Amino acid sequence: NAGVTQTPKFQVLKTGQSMTLQCAQDMNHNSMYWYRQDPGMGLRLIYYSASEGTTDKGEVPNGYNVSRLNKREFSLRLESAAPSQTSVYFCASSLLTGPNYGYTFGSGTRLTVV
Amino acid sequence: SQQGEEDPQALSIQEGENATMNCSYKTSINNLQWYRQNSGRGLVHLILIRSNEREKHSGRLRVTLDTSKKSSSLLITASRAADTASYFCATDGSNYQLIWGAGTKLIIKP
Repeated sequence: NAGVTQTPKFQVLKTGQSMTLQCAQDMNHNSMYWYRQDPGMGLRLIYYSASEGTTDKGEVPNGYNVSRLNKREFSLRLESAAPSQTSVYFCASSLLTGPNYGYTFGSGTRLTVV
Repeated sequence: SQQGEEDPQALSIQEGENATMNCSYKTSINNLQWYRQNSGRGLVHLILIRSNEREKHSGRLRVTLDTSKKSSSLLITASRAADTASYFCATDGSNYQLIWGAGTKLIIKP
């Protein structure tokens, strides 16, 4: 039982390059999330998908796009990477959206933009 | 924006001692959650406490919630080396999303 799987684990990009971070969950959860984590700060929500077919902006959506490909998969795309996007990115899922449900997290993608 | 703020930012104790960390928040909440993050890993859900609950236990973990003071505490009893991690609280935000504190870094010394 894998839970939430993120790929890749590490990535180095040059400024202006694009890439897609992949996330898949096998827990039949309805809601999925993308966060970034920067040193000394809590998690900040980039985008979320409350259910298959819907996506919404979080606190820091600029420079990112997402696709909820199906119930299992939720990808995050950086169209033109900038050094400010250097961070650790986490995908998470929960049974339903809202504060009543615990989240299951992937192991993260460490992204460096040079 | 941060709703929950953990205190202290860092805590170093001897193995076997108890560790207490606190979380304060600003606005009324429905629930408060605690998570653990080991170095280089994703977060792991520990406990969810509802606003009408005052205390909750899970193994060596004890969480209290004081809604009048807008604060919660996480107590880890009889600490072990494996408890070395960062601990985060998360509370209700807008649009039913969680808002996270910056975390308490706990180090257990052998």
